[in-house]
Amino acid sequence: DIQMTQSPSSVSASVGDRVTITCRASQDISSWLVWFQQKPGKAPEVLISVASRLQNGVPSRFSGSGSGTDFTLTISNLQPEDFATYYCQQSASFPITFGQGTRLDIK
Amino acid sequence: QVPLEESGAEVVKPGASVKVSCKASRDTFTGYYIYWVRQAAGQGFEYMGWINPNSGGTNYAQQFRGRVTMTRDTSINTVYMELSELKSNDTALYYCARVERHFYGLDVWGRGTAITVSS
Repeated sequence: DIQMTQSPSSVSASVGDRVTITCRASQDISSWLVWFQQKPGKAPEVLISVASRLQNGVPSRFSGSGSGTDFTLTISNLQPEDFATYYCQQSASFPITFGQGTRLDIK
Repeated sequence: QVPLEESGAEVVKPGASVKVSCKASRDTFTGYYIYWVRQAAGQGFEYMGWINPNSGGTNYAQQFRGRVTMTRDTSINTVYMELSELKSNDTALYYCARVERHFYGLDVWGRGTAITVSS
C-alpha cells in the first residue's frame, strides 16, 4: 500500500495569513492526488484533484502543486471559514490511501 | 438534488450485520463509481471498496473481503454497503463518495452514516 504522510499535523495561523501543507507519498503517484477539507459534522469537501485542478466553486485562494511523491496545498489570505482539517488522498493505485490530516487552527 | 444521501445512524450488536444505503442523484448513479470509506472517531480514513452502479461490478479492499458486500438497486438509484461479523472496532462514520474515473479520486462525499457496535 502507498503511505501518505502529511505535515505538519497541526498549524495555527491568523486570518489573512498564508499556509502551506505538504503531503509525501511513499512511491511515485504521478499527479493522482486529491486534497479535501473536513469540518466537524459536515461532509468532506474536495478542493483540488489531479494535484492542482481546483474544483468548481472552490475559492482561488486554494492552490495545489507537485507531482511524483511531493505535493503541497497552499491557502492564501486565510478566511475564518478555512479553519478545518485538511487531508490528501492518492488515487494512483488500490487501495486508495489518505494522509493523517492537518488541523488548521486560529492563532 | 443532493448527489449522495446516506441512511441514518444505527446501533448494532457485536457479531451482527449492518446495511447502509446511499441514494444518488440520477446523474451520479449513471455516471460515477460509488466508493465506501470509513472513519473511526479521531482516526484517519479507511478505504473499503467500490461499486459500479451500472454494471454492479465491485472491488473490495483486502481487509474487508469476506465481510463486506456492495450492491445496488437501479430502480431507486441506491447503492448499499453491508458489513457483517461486526466488532467494536467497526464503530465509525461510514461515507459513500462518488468517483468519475478511478484516477481522479473522490469527487463528492455523502454526509456519512454513524454505525455504533455495542452490546
